[in-house]
Amino acid sequence: ETGVTQTPRHLVMGMTNKKSLKCEQHLGHNAMYWYKQSAKKPLELMFVYSLEERVENNSVPSRFSPECPNSSHLFLHLHTLQPEDSALYLCASSQDWAANYGYTFGSGTRLTVV
Amino acid sequence: AQKVTQAQTEISVVEKEDVTLDCVYETRDTTYYLFWYKQPPSGELVFLIRRNSFDEQNEISGRYSWNFQKSTSSFNFTITASQVVDSAVYFCALKVGTGANNLFFGTGTRLTVIP
Repeated sequence: ETGVTQTPRHLVMGMTNKKSLKCEQHLGHNAMYWYKQSAKKPLELMFVYSLEERVENNSVPSRFSPECPNSSHLFLHLHTLQPEDSALYLCASSQDWAANYGYTFGSGTRLTVV
Repeated sequence: AQKVTQAQTEISVVEKEDVTLDCVYETRDTTYYLFWYKQPPSGELVFLIRRNSFDEQNEISGRYSWNFQKSTSSFNFTITASQVVDSAVYFCALKVGTGANNLFFGTGTRLTVIP
């Protein structure tokens, strides 16, 4: 298994659907992150979990709901999304919350909201 | 305020040419870290290098080299003898303090290597 695995790779959903993105890391890291990557914009940090506790939430709309049941798994629950939410959603992990040694990223979920 | 500028949005080079990707950062912190990541078409950001603010030594790793100059707040990345597999989007990032909110990415440079 590679370091950080995200599923699904692609997702198309209607605005009234509910879906979840999954992230799993096999590195023994203690911190996990959700980032949003939109075209021509810097990566946007959405949520940070350290030892399964949410430590940062960057004013993300409530239609995005994260869940971290253990230090290896991270979910992003989606409901009633908008077309502007279409983007690449990247999960990352780091040894700890300080993350001074960088992050390991997954391959992302390409989300299209129709 | 912290900021990372990658002025080159897209670059195209012919295989075997050398190419330099520019990164200029802004911060008033004296302790910080700089990173380069590669994002191939598959999507994941691949870590390439981390440099702390107290280490201005240039680094070479195979065909990759990095030039860190605090005097110009730049951390440029050079690929020597480029290959088609180098085609990707490259991101420079600046980290100050602790926590992911203190990690600032540039907007990336898309490199296309033409065979």
